[in-house]
Amino acid sequence: GQQLNQSPQSMFIQEGEDVSMNCTSSSIFNTWLWYKQDPGEGPVLLIALYKAGELTSNGRLTAQFGITRKDSFLNISASIPSDVGIYFCAGQRANAGGTSYGKLTFGQGTILTVHP
Amino acid sequence: EAQVTQNPRYLITVTGKKLTVTCSQNMNHEYMSWYRQDPGLGLRQIYYSMNVEVTDKGDVPEGYKVSRKEKRNFPLILESPSPNQTSLYFCASSLAGPSFSEQYFGPGTRLTVT
Repeated sequence: GQQLNQSPQSMFIQEGEDVSMNCTSSSIFNTWLWYKQDPGEGPVLLIALYKAGELTSNGRLTAQFGITRKDSFLNISASIPSDVGIYFCAGQRANAGGTSYGKLTFGQGTILTVHP
Repeated sequence: EAQVTQNPRYLITVTGKKLTVTCSQNMNHEYMSWYRQDPGLGLRQIYYSMNVEVTDKGDVPEGYKVSRKEKRNFPLILESPSPNQTSLYFCASSLAGPSFSEQYFGPGTRLTVT
């Protein structure tokens, strides 16, 4: 099935540094989402994007919906130790009538490690 | 407290022994979905349900069954589990409509099939 290409696969950074990760697809998506998963838990939604070009912030997190609708990125500014975890992008496509499918496609994840 | 619950959280079983993983949500959500998570592959959707008695295949439905007889419950059934179904399974739910992408995930069920 369709998969999103998420990069990088892993990042090792120092506390206080900024982080950037992205997702690309060969298909158009009408919704892009970013989730974070802490060890032993389910993913938690960070940011949802619904329009091409949309730029949305949630605290130190900023995400953008690419103009081509085939990509999205997530930035984390001034990282802190609790930012550690796995970050997933996810995309949802629309059918010909513009209604969203029920299928959600996830990227492979970016493992973030923050050194104090 | 609004939540998605899954049971069991951990399960070790043998090949061919039928099992059911339950999922329940208390948020009156129309949409529910099952995913499996494997290292390096992210989350892959198994089945989803847009409402009671409405289910559809995700990307990896082979070897799984689901049912949606009630709004709050969405059990995942493995009729004859095989070792390649060893994985971490997540149930999720959300409201239907434009924002139904904003899914709430359960805590996960780690399944080992020997």
